Amino acid sequence: DTAVSQTPKYLVTQMGNDKSIKCEQNLGHDTMYWYKQDSKKFLKIMFSYNNKELIINETVPNRFSPKSPDKAHLNLHINSLELGDSAVYFCASSQDLTSGSFYNEQFFGPGTRLTVL
Amino acid sequence: AQTVTQSQPEMSVQEAETVTLSCTYDTSENNYYLFWYKQPPSRQMILVIRQEAYKQQNATENRFSVNFQKAAKSFSLKISDSQLGDTAMYFCAFMKPGSQGNLIFGKGTKLSVKP
Repeated sequence: DTAVSQTPKYLVTQMGNDKSIKCEQNLGHDTMYWYKQDSKKFLKIMFSYNNKELIINETVPNRFSPKSPDKAHLNLHINSLELGDSAVYFCASSQDLTSGSFYNEQFFGPGTRLTVL
Repeated sequence: AQTVTQSQPEMSVQEAETVTLSCTYDTSENNYYLFWYKQPPSRQMILVIRQEAYKQQNATENRFSVNFQKAAKSFSLKISDSQLGDTAMYFCAFMKPGSQGNLIFGKGTKLSVKP
């Protein structure tokens, strides 16, 4: 069974469109994340959600909005897509960080390669 | 702000030999975690090894070990008996307490293991 899954794996779309990437984890984790990996392989956190609350937003444009219908899912919606949004987007999850533990391992999904034409 | 620097964009090693990947970081924190992640061509991010800053003993996981020099803010990864399956991008990462899981990554080192 896949621990953290993302759909789709590849997404090709035109500038100006709105698209969503779905993420699901079956690990029972409380915290989920979205990362962006650019064309130079640089990986940077975008968002994290703990128990359906946003706890990080790293200067990401408002066109990006994470939505968590339940703690097993964290979807990424992107409006008015731009060329610079082309990247690989990774979802990840970990145990609850607010429980007092300093560190819980993050498990990553396989990534979604988004290409904006 | 914390930064992570990997000064070797690409490296290569012969199968069965040993290779060391460098990583330095900048922080004013005393307690933190450091990680090495592997990203093979499949794109999957895989945790290789982690080190708690308050532990003096270097972490080891099978053929992978680290040389953690806290004063120098250095965290290198040594891969022994390199295998073809070790070919991948390797990312060094940092996480500080209270950051809600915010992993800060270096720019990566592309390692090629040659037969």
